Amino acid sequence: AQKITQTQPGMFVQEKEAVTLDCTYDTSDQSYGLFWYKQPSSGEMIFLIYQGSYDEQNATEGRYSLNFQKARKSANLVISASQLGDSAMYFCAMQGQGGSEKLVFGKGTKLTVNP
Amino acid sequence: SAVISQKPSRDICQRGTSLTIQCQVDSQVTMMFWYRQQPGQSLTLIATANQGSEATYESGFVIDKFPISRPNLTFSTLTVSNMSPEDSSIYLCSVERDRQETQYFGPGTRLLVL
Repeated sequence: AQKITQTQPGMFVQEKEAVTLDCTYDTSDQSYGLFWYKQPSSGEMIFLIYQGSYDEQNATEGRYSLNFQKARKSANLVISASQLGDSAMYFCAMQGQGGSEKLVFGKGTKLTVNP
Repeated sequence: SAVISQKPSRDICQRGTSLTIQCQVDSQVTMMFWYRQQPGQSLTLIATANQGSEATYESGFVIDKFPISRPNLTFSTLTVSNMSPEDSSIYLCSVERDRQETQYFGPGTRLLVL
């Protein structure tokens, strides 16, 4: 079974600073994908970034980067130069690649960006 | 990515009634899914909507309570039947254009059952 753990229920950051949101995972699959989604108060789920288990480079998408440490089974999201609009819930998710397409989500971290 | 719409965006329903939620995609996709997000909780997969055949349900979810249709590669419906206040949630559809690709989500349907 796959499991995602996000240990930070809430995080605060000052505008323009960087913040790291933690995510650890557990799986017996050799091949898997890791995702981060943002959920504003409107409720939509916005895809941010993806990391494949065999990708050697850490994924980056604009101000988002994923700090992937396979041996430690961690996939932390780093947001640089935080903006007020970054305030939202952030979910880490995993998808096994052994057959099921199901995304397994962590409990999420609520990020608040202060001016 | 795909453009995904859901109808209704929100609704308030009486217990014992049923609501059908529609998910429309702007292009053909291989996979469509339905998730539930209860208040303050994370997302849980209800079922995979299979085109032309019965949906594949996750443990704890049954067809009688959450019937799903997928008549083609761009459209699916989820019905929440015989609703109770515990069904108050956000219901989200997601799609994968091809297998093992990124899942993109619709805007969600906020359901409140009184």
